Amino acid sequence: EADIYQTPRYLVIGTGKKITLECSQTMGHDKMYWYQQDPGMELHLIHYSYGVNSTEKGDLSSESTVSRIRTEHFPLTLESARPSHTSQYLCASSPGTGNNQPQHFGDGTRLSIL
Amino acid sequence: AQTVTQSQPEMSVQEAETVTLSCTYDTSESDYYLFWYKQPPSRQMILVIRQEAYKQQNATENRFSVNFQKAAKSFSLKISDSQLGDAAMYFCAYWGNTGKLIFGQGTTLQVKP
Repeated sequence: EADIYQTPRYLVIGTGKKITLECSQTMGHDKMYWYQQDPGMELHLIHYSYGVNSTEKGDLSSESTVSRIRTEHFPLTLESARPSHTSQYLCASSPGTGNNQPQHFGDGTRLSIL
Repeated sequence: AQTVTQSQPEMSVQEAETVTLSCTYDTSESDYYLFWYKQPPSRQMILVIRQEAYKQQNATENRFSVNFQKAAKSFSLKISDSQLGDAAMYFCAYWGNTGKLIFGQGTTLQVKP
């Protein structure tokens, strides 16, 4: 069973607020990812990291930012939330070696911006 | 660029019956991996099964098996003896040299008692 945790699970907040979505994994995985998923839709990669101090933007443009100061921690930040940011955000991780290692997913954060 | 297509937005199956979910992909790479993920409502996404492209033998995990047709770039998932707990959204995913997992649009599976 994968040990990857996301908090909060649900967040409803007003426009203009600064938000940080937390993601932590206890498996020592080098690679971590953030996906955005609208209800019933496909996942879109918005950020990824291959290790400490390494972050890259994904395929879908996002106004969010990420940091990777520690291996186990990969938070996502929205400086000023807008209704268009309403979505589900999924964090995932995988070992650093081998493309056949599957990604392990967290439970997700459902974000609603009023 | 690689793409993954799931042409069935929704599928339904009677409990204990067999259902097949379709997935096609497009790539110019010869070495890659394919995955099926299951996402139950409001629950964690989990890996169902994976296939290495260099292996001709179809992967099998208990009631789940795949039909991998490399030349046709097809990767379907067969669920045998369907159970109520199989109801979920299923995503086909491709992993190649970009190091990124590319997902299909998903198929929502309903299991009828």
